[in-house]
Amino acid sequence: GAGVSQSPSNKVTEKGKDVELRCDPISGHTALYWYRQSLGQGLEFLIYFQGNSAPDKSGLPSDRFSAERTGGSVSTLTIQRTQQEDSAVYLCASSPRTSGRAPDTQYFGPGTRLTVL
Amino acid sequence: LAKTTQPISMDSYEGQEVNITCSHNNIATNDYITWYQQFPSQGPRFIIQGYKTKVTNEVASLFIPADRKSSTLSLPRVSLSDTAVYYCLVGVLSGSARQLTFGSGTQLTVLP
Repeated sequence: GAGVSQSPSNKVTEKGKDVELRCDPISGHTALYWYRQSLGQGLEFLIYFQGNSAPDKSGLPSDRFSAERTGGSVSTLTIQRTQQEDSAVYLCASSPRTSGRAPDTQYFGPGTRLTVL
Repeated sequence: LAKTTQPISMDSYEGQEVNITCSHNNIATNDYITWYQQFPSQGPRFIIQGYKTKVTNEVASLFIPADRKSSTLSLPRVSLSDTAVYYCLVGVLSGSARQLTFGSGTQLTVLP
């Protein structure tokens, strides 16, 4: 079946503008994650959704960042008043809800490369 | 959250076995250890997961000593296509939250 898709694949914006990044998870996956990966760096956790609720927003770097998920499916990450340091690849992952303590296997999308000029 | 440390890079030759170690000294009792592989311009892909001792699947083995303060990903007989960044992830399903920390990644380069 189809994997996780993200749009746009590339986004160039000017400093101070708002941007919206979209994630379409694998159908039926109840958990959804957003990460940020700066050039040559590892993955920085941003936010996690279980269904439409976000029990863990601990990774959002500032109040300029927000995310929502509707219908237990599509998620949007919004960055307001973008800054140059927001330039990075934003990755989305989804996973099925499983019982037990082990972390679910995350299926990642290809990412959105955001460049803030 | 458990902090992880990995070597920045490793080189190997085709056909060799490669072992990548991740240190996680403050791993919690309920934490699991997961490894992901990432190719350029792609999202990470799950390789293997374990809690203790040894886990093996069709692509890799994961060795976890009794104290669980480190783990070693073993890739048998690597090929050029195994050149990628490998991430160690430590975390747990904790109620409604996902406490997950990715390591900084190890760039593995397989040489002909």
